Amino acid sequence: DVKVTQSSRYLVKRTGEKVFLECVQDMDHENMFWYRQDPGLGLRLIYFSYDVKMKEKGDIPEGYSVSREKKERFSLILESASTNQTSMYLCASSKDRGAGEIDEQFFGPGTRLTVL
Amino acid sequence: DAKTTQPNSMESNEEEPVHLPCNHSTISGTDYIHWYRQLPSQGPEYVIHGLTSNVNNRMASLAIAEDRKSSTLILHRATLRDAAVYYCILRDEDFGNEKLTFGTGTRLTIIP
Repeated sequence: DVKVTQSSRYLVKRTGEKVFLECVQDMDHENMFWYRQDPGLGLRLIYFSYDVKMKEKGDIPEGYSVSREKKERFSLILESASTNQTSMYLCASSKDRGAGEIDEQFFGPGTRLTVL
Repeated sequence: DAKTTQPNSMESNEEEPVHLPCNHSTISGTDYIHWYRQLPSQGPEYVIHGLTSNVNNRMASLAIAEDRKSSTLILHRATLRDAAVYYCILRDEDFGNEKLTFGTGTRLTIIP
């Protein structure tokens, strides 16, 4: 069974702390994504990566950074957590497509982060 | 990215068909129509996608209007497990575009 796993389901941190959210996929996918999900706003893309050590900004990258040192692992980093980063964080992965091909994204279960 | 419009919520009775509409009047020729759903306390999961022709798979059917300005996801016989938020997403399938842009979706409630 294909899997995307996230390091924690629930996390509580204090303002100003450095926070690491880890995501691991076992499908040998090239592409990995980080989204946040907030009520009334849907899922919004923070960062994505299409290869090891490569990253691209999504729609809302401010306040976040990412790291992809290995193909299977994509980390989201909050350098100095703030209360407005309280949210559900979802990781996803997908296979690299050739021209004209379509590949679905597989999502992890999410990490609910609360910043106090 | 072209936008989609979906009703905020819908209700359906268990074991009856459900038709979830999506409007996408600014769709371009290279946009595929994707549907994902998100069950409670889970990440989204892929349901189906299509370009011009109607599509069927084990989960659902996708009916696409001839002018492609709207589409309908059809669950043929809803079960309680189908209660979820359903997202209609347009994705430009030009090579290299891997992004999905989620809206707020339709929350489907199944009545036993």
